[in-house]
Amino acid sequence: ILNVEQSPQSLHVQEGDSTNFTCSFPSSNFYALHWYRWETAKSPEALFVMTLNGDEKKKGRISATLNTKEGYSYLYIKGSQPEDSATYLCASHSGYALNFGKGTSLLVTP
Amino acid sequence: KAGVTQTPRYLIKTRGQQVTLSCSPISGHRSVSWYQQTPGQGLQFLFEYFSETQRNKGNFPGRFSGRQFSNSRSEMNVSTLELGDSALYLCASSLIMTSGGQSEQFFGPGTRLTVL
Repeated sequence: ILNVEQSPQSLHVQEGDSTNFTCSFPSSNFYALHWYRWETAKSPEALFVMTLNGDEKKKGRISATLNTKEGYSYLYIKGSQPEDSATYLCASHSGYALNFGKGTSLLVTP
Repeated sequence: KAGVTQTPRYLIKTRGQQVTLSCSPISGHRSVSWYQQTPGQGLQFLFEYFSETQRNKGNFPGRFSGRQFSNSRSEMNVSTLELGDSALYLCASSLIMTSGGQSEQFFGPGTRLTVL
């Protein structure tokens, strides 16, 4: 994998559903994996920065895991709420630059 | 603590003109990065500055340039504007951007540039 890829591109779930997204990144020359949430008309907001293989981080109902050997990370949202509607971006850090995926757009309807 | 600020927020230019965008990082942050987002594309890295030095540059033509001042404020300049330069330009600051990449970035609201 040469670029950072995210799937699915978009997702529509009902309030209360749990969901997850995938981020694939080059496993060679890996430094760190970032997750950001970008709500419409706002600035991207950092969720997690992960560096260690097998790492798992949690913030409220959102959690993320990291596999640096195979080059993927999962983001999980438990019990989705309408306020979780946003685009979720992952970015792989190599050197001094963050390489972003195109994001997963999540819509949570009541 | 004030967040990252960018000015102007919106800008309309015509082809061939040049433009300068400004970014003021969070107080104490020394690293400033610039990104471009166009429709259908993810955030594309432009360049990163630390202590007034450009440490890395993305795959953009030489028309895109930048600089950082001693107070960590940064500007980016685009000369000879093209229609394809229409985009949202975001800057982000971090406390320190080490080669480890562990520092989270704090983004500004962006400047929406439209080239006619």
